[in-house]
Amino acid sequence: ETGVTQTPRHLVMGMTNKKSLKCEQHLGHNAMYWYKQSAKKPLELMFVYNFKEQTENNSVPSRFSPECPNSSHLFLHLHTLQPEDSALYLCASSHNPAVGAEAFFGQGTRLTVV
Amino acid sequence: SQQGEEDPQALSIQEGENATMNCSYKTSINNLQWYRQNSGRGLVHLILIRSNEREKHSGRLRVTLDTSKKSSSLLITASRAADTASYFCATVASSNTGKLIFGQGTTLQVKP
Repeated sequence: ETGVTQTPRHLVMGMTNKKSLKCEQHLGHNAMYWYKQSAKKPLELMFVYNFKEQTENNSVPSRFSPECPNSSHLFLHLHTLQPEDSALYLCASSHNPAVGAEAFFGQGTRLTVV
Repeated sequence: SQQGEEDPQALSIQEGENATMNCSYKTSINNLQWYRQNSGRGLVHLILIRSNEREKHSGRLRVTLDTSKKSSSLLITASRAADTASYFCATVASSNTGKLIFGQGTTLQVKP
């Protein structure tokens, strides 16, 4: 248990569906991240939020829409996804990204787009 | 450009042997971190080494950093079957400390 909780753990959705991934951290961290992990590819940084403000958008398609209502919660809203979006989506948080602090990861959501 | 390229991509050893994984990166860094991932699970932080440090130890782990060669190594001594996992290096760039960029990882198998 790392203190970062992701729900759901598994999700199967059709290409026309709308769903949301949720991430919650109880560590008092200021920064939260979304990563995508596909088979045989490095973890891809998608979004970074620092003090609820988005500080990085790594050229992510608009069918992925993040939301950070407060420093403890992070959502990833999904709509009209493609089969190639199937992957493990990992959320992470860290205390102070300005000094390059370590990241704590959730267990991930395994997403399958059919 | 992608930071943190690991070598080898896969490593298989016997229990009790040492395992060495290498990581190379491209730009100036603030620090370099190593993470472990069991199959299909989240990543767990192992150790962080700052750009002004050359070597760091944590239990059976030893990390080195050579900023002139832009490379790092992770040594796991006296390996155990439970060390079987994927290991990733990740870098925090000097120019943008808000991003943690991962390499492709090394898959380690320790045979009992």
